[in-house]
Amino acid sequence: GNSVTQMEGPVTLSEEAFLTINCTYTATGYPSLFWYVQYPGEGLQLLLKATKADDKGSNKGFEATYRKETTSFHLEKGSVQVSDSAVYFCALSDNSGNTPLVFGKGTRLSVIA
Amino acid sequence: DTGVSQDPRHKITKRGQNVTFRCDPISEHNRLYWYRQTLGQGPEFLTYFQNEAQLEKSRLLSDRFSAERPKGSFSTLEIQRTEQGDSAMYLCASSPSLAGVRTGELFFGEGSRLTVL
Repeated sequence: GNSVTQMEGPVTLSEEAFLTINCTYTATGYPSLFWYVQYPGEGLQLLLKATKADDKGSNKGFEATYRKETTSFHLEKGSVQVSDSAVYFCALSDNSGNTPLVFGKGTRLSVIA
Repeated sequence: DTGVSQDPRHKITKRGQNVTFRCDPISEHNRLYWYRQTLGQGPEFLTYFQNEAQLEKSRLLSDRFSAERPKGSFSTLEIQRTEQGDSAMYLCASSPSLAGVRTGELFFGEGSRLTVL
């Protein structure tokens, strides 16, 4: 079945540091890939997405590139801010419209000033 | 606020009691999902509705769990004879259409946290 594996946290970084959160997936066919973010006290919200190989999703300074050859969708940001402290979830959809999103376990990021 | 709302936000109950959670999706969203999230885990799918029809249920949804979406608007998730293992955050999400589902754009509520003593 479809699955997502993401690096375990927590990840603690100083402000302006470079961020990478690894995500790899297992799926049949050509899934779409997503990063969701959950800020403290809030619901999950879509951060970015990519629907086909080599696509790059980007939002709020975050980027992730859909790499089919390595089945990866790593999240990166060049300079993190304290406000980026949150839990980040990698997720996958098989594009059928009939299968719910499959999420990774989440990676907690703490950014300190 | 026109986002997904869930009620109650927190529920503490004794083992064996029944609990019910309510979810109000974004207006006119056709699909409504229930997920469960335990500490250190990502959301796990429970069930979803297309309008009032329940289209899929996860094997995680034991016989003690039942969900409804009468009239295709709000939804309820009831857990009967709660067990300590039911302690979790129950998340509701909605999406505007089949196309929205394909693009992965689920809109989540803040969740209902259940603690079973």
